[in-house]
Amino acid sequence: SQKIEQNSEALNIQEGKTATLTCNYTNYSPAYLQWYRQDPGRGPVFLLLIRENEKEKRKERLKVTFDTTLKQSLFHITASQPADSATYLCALTTGTASKLTFGTGTRLQVTL
Amino acid sequence: EAQVTQNPRYLITVTGKKLTVTCSQNMNHEYMSWYRQDPGLGLRQIYYSMNVEVTDKGDVPEGYKVSRKEKRNFPLILESPSPNQTSLYFCASTASGGWDTGELFFGEGSRLTVL
Repeated sequence: SQKIEQNSEALNIQEGKTATLTCNYTNYSPAYLQWYRQDPGRGPVFLLLIRENEKEKRKERLKVTFDTTLKQSLFHITASQPADSATYLCALTTGTASKLTFGTGTRLQVTL
Repeated sequence: EAQVTQNPRYLITVTGKKLTVTCSQNMNHEYMSWYRQDPGLGLRQIYYSMNVEVTDKGDVPEGYKVSRKEKRNFPLILESPSPNQTSLYFCASTASGGWDTGELFFGEGSRLTVL
């Protein structure tokens, strides 16, 4: 069956460092991969979308890579700040929003 | 301001008492969807709608109903709530109509407790 795995353990890093979060998938051939940010008790907020034919996407301090051979996406936040502390969700689809499947998310904690 | 509005935000109810969670979006989006979020299970899709009068089941539709009579509204109905429907519910919408993967816009969530 299709499976999306994100590290369930929280990632703790120091302010200013680069945070790297991982999204692995199995039995899946996604055409699109998205990353969302979710704060406690709030709805997820879209961050980035990357297509299967794109290796890398950047937006300000964010960078996403998509390796269809390794079946993995990496999400990087450079120069991390305490305000970046949140849970980050990856979501994959083979091509339609109705088939978008979410991972369980990884909580990032950035400390001073 | 572009937004997805859910009501109520918090609700405590008892088993069997019918309830409706409303969802409204002001972005003229064709596609709308309901998710529930539970610890360790992530977001799971309940129902979705490609357009007015077009709805379909997601991954966990049992115990829920939806309707899409107007483009902006997509209410979630629990005809006879049970304790296993205690969860955090999110409504989401996107402009793409479901045939492409634009970003999803989420509401603020509705925390439902069924006693």
